[in-house]
Amino acid sequence: AQRVTQPEKLLSVFKGAPVELKCNYSYSGSPELFWYVQYSRQRLQLLLRHISRESIKGFTADLNKGETSFHLKKPFAQEEDSAMYYCALSGRGSGAGSYQLTFGKGTKLSVIP
Amino acid sequence: DAGITQSPRHKVTETGTPVTLRCHQTENHRYMYWYRQDPGHGLRLIHYSYGVKDTDKGEVSDGYSVSRSKTEDFLLTLESATSSQTSVYFCASEGGDRFEQYFGPGTRLTVT
Repeated sequence: AQRVTQPEKLLSVFKGAPVELKCNYSYSGSPELFWYVQYSRQRLQLLLRHISRESIKGFTADLNKGETSFHLKKPFAQEEDSAMYYCALSGRGSGAGSYQLTFGKGTKLSVIP
Repeated sequence: DAGITQSPRHKVTETGTPVTLRCHQTENHRYMYWYRQDPGHGLRLIHYSYGVKDTDKGEVSDGYSVSRSKTEDFLLTLESATSSQTSVYFCASEGGDRFEQYFGPGTRLTVT
């Protein structure tokens, strides 16, 4: 069974401070991990994925297989970063090559001006 | 936004009534998904489809059924709505860029 754990429901930081949103996972195979973001009253959108190793909006995330973690980091928080962040793991579904995303419960990031 | 829409966007219904939510995508994506979003639970998969007429259950499928008669449409039906099904429902589709799901704007359903 696959599982994603985001231990913090709410994280408040001051503008300009570093941000780290934690994500731990449990999966028996080789994981594909993602961070999705949901701004207020908007749809979820992909922020980044570990296989692309890119930095989006200043955010980065490194997959640590030893610690089974995929923490999201940003060196200097901005007010516009305030949103709900979901860590997700892609695992194989039962139907014809399908994959299922398992989401964590989410962390609400609040950046204080 | 990958051309994915949901209807209705808001609905209030009474316990025991049937409800159908519609998801429509214009990207010819093969895979489509229905999630519900609840505080403290994040997003949970209800059902998904891996092709026309090919569907399977997700984590929280009890009380829900789905149908996909065309590539572009994926319907979620609550046969007899209950108050525990009050939630925000998101549809998503996945196509050429493997693993990236595109989400619809959501449907806020209230069962009274």
